[in-house]
Amino acid sequence: GQNIDQPTEMTATEGAIVQINCTYQTSGFNGLFWYQQHAGEAPTFLSYNVLDGLEEKGRFSSFLSRSKGYSYLLLKELQMKDSASYLCAVSSASGGSYIPTFGRGTSLIVHP
Amino acid sequence: EPEVTQTPSHQVTQMGQEVILRCVPISNHLYFYWYRQILGQKVEFLVSFYNNEISEKSEIFDDQFSVERPDGSNFTLKIRSTKLEDSAMYFCASSATDIGYNEQFFGPGTRLTVL
Repeated sequence: GQNIDQPTEMTATEGAIVQINCTYQTSGFNGLFWYQQHAGEAPTFLSYNVLDGLEEKGRFSSFLSRSKGYSYLLLKELQMKDSASYLCAVSSASGGSYIPTFGRGTSLIVHP
Repeated sequence: EPEVTQTPSHQVTQMGQEVILRCVPISNHLYFYWYRQILGQKVEFLVSFYNNEISEKSEIFDDQFSVERPDGSNFTLKIRSTKLEDSAMYFCASSATDIGYNEQFFGPGTRLTVL
């Protein structure tokens, strides 16, 4: 089976930097996704990490350590619109296909 | 920009009734998925579909559920006899591939309410 842990809720100030951590245990690890989900809406893709290291994409960066089963999503220059749930999802080879398993998500509240 | 569409946006039904949720995946994608998200809970995988057959399904996807691609564009999820616990947001997704960097594009979801 798979186990994905991330904090339930975080708060941060507009303009600041926030790091959302995700730890996982799985067999046949393929890659790790981060999705953003605003309330009542569909998840939207943010990043995908398969190799160790940091992937930067604008204000968002994602880091992966496969040996530690650990990832984080770094959000810089926070804006009010960044208030959302951030979903860590692990893709692993199971039954021949690579289906992402989602964590419960971290609800980020950005305040002025 | 191509997108996944879903209809209806909200479906209300009585317990025991059949419902069909519809999705139009991105046109050049080959892999299709259904997920559900009960209010306040995590996104859960239901089923994946490729080449007109189910490629993988979760334990949630029991005999009450079925999927179909009735034509070249639609992908449907049928729940034969709905239960109260089927109330959730149902998301359809599609991807160009199913291995490696298989970015899945999600539709806006159908909110199913079973009374």
